[in-house]
Amino acid sequence: AQKITQTQPGMFVQEKEAVTLDCTYDTSDQSYGLFWYKQPSSGEMIFLIYQGSYDEQNATEGRYSLNFQKARKSANLVISASQLGDSAMYFCAISKAAGNKLTFGGGTRVLVKP
Amino acid sequence: GAGVSQSPSNKVTEKGKDVELRCDPISGHTALYWYRQSLGQGLEFLIYFQGNSAPDKSGLPSDRFSAERTGGSVSTLTIQRTQQEDSAVYLCASSLGAGGDLPRTAFFGQGTRLTVV
Repeated sequence: AQKITQTQPGMFVQEKEAVTLDCTYDTSDQSYGLFWYKQPSSGEMIFLIYQGSYDEQNATEGRYSLNFQKARKSANLVISASQLGDSAMYFCAISKAAGNKLTFGGGTRVLVKP
Repeated sequence: GAGVSQSPSNKVTEKGKDVELRCDPISGHTALYWYRQSLGQGLEFLIYFQGNSAPDKSGLPSDRFSAERTGGSVSTLTIQRTQQEDSAVYLCASSLGAGGDLPRTAFFGQGTRLTVV
């Protein structure tokens, strides 16, 4: 079974500052993927970034980067230069190669202050 | 289509009625997933389709819930004899499907908000 833990239920960040969202995971699979999704108040789940378990380099997508520490089983999301539009719920999720079912954490609500 | 499309976007139904929720995945995506998100909660997996078959139905909460997929495309999630605890947002996602060594990114629709009164 796979499990995702997001320990920060909510956090404030000042506009233009960076914020780190914590995510730890548990899995017995050798091959797996880690995903971050953003859910604004509109409700849509927006894919942000992906990290494969065998990727040696941390994934980056624009202002998003994933701090992947495999030995610690952590996959923290870093958002640089926060914008007001970054205010949303953020979900970390894990999937294995076969089946691709996503297991989600409980989410972290981010509020960017002007 | 360009993205995953779900209909209706909102549905209010009376307790005991049946409802059907529709999902139209991204063209070419062979895998399709249904999730449920209750108020203030994370996402709960319901069912996974690969093509028209459902190798994983482990998340369906009761036998009142069923889903089918036809033509490897559109999927319908049916809830019979709805109960108030079925009120939630039902999200559909699609991906390029299983196979290969790495998971595939799933893309989500905007969801159907179901309210049972």
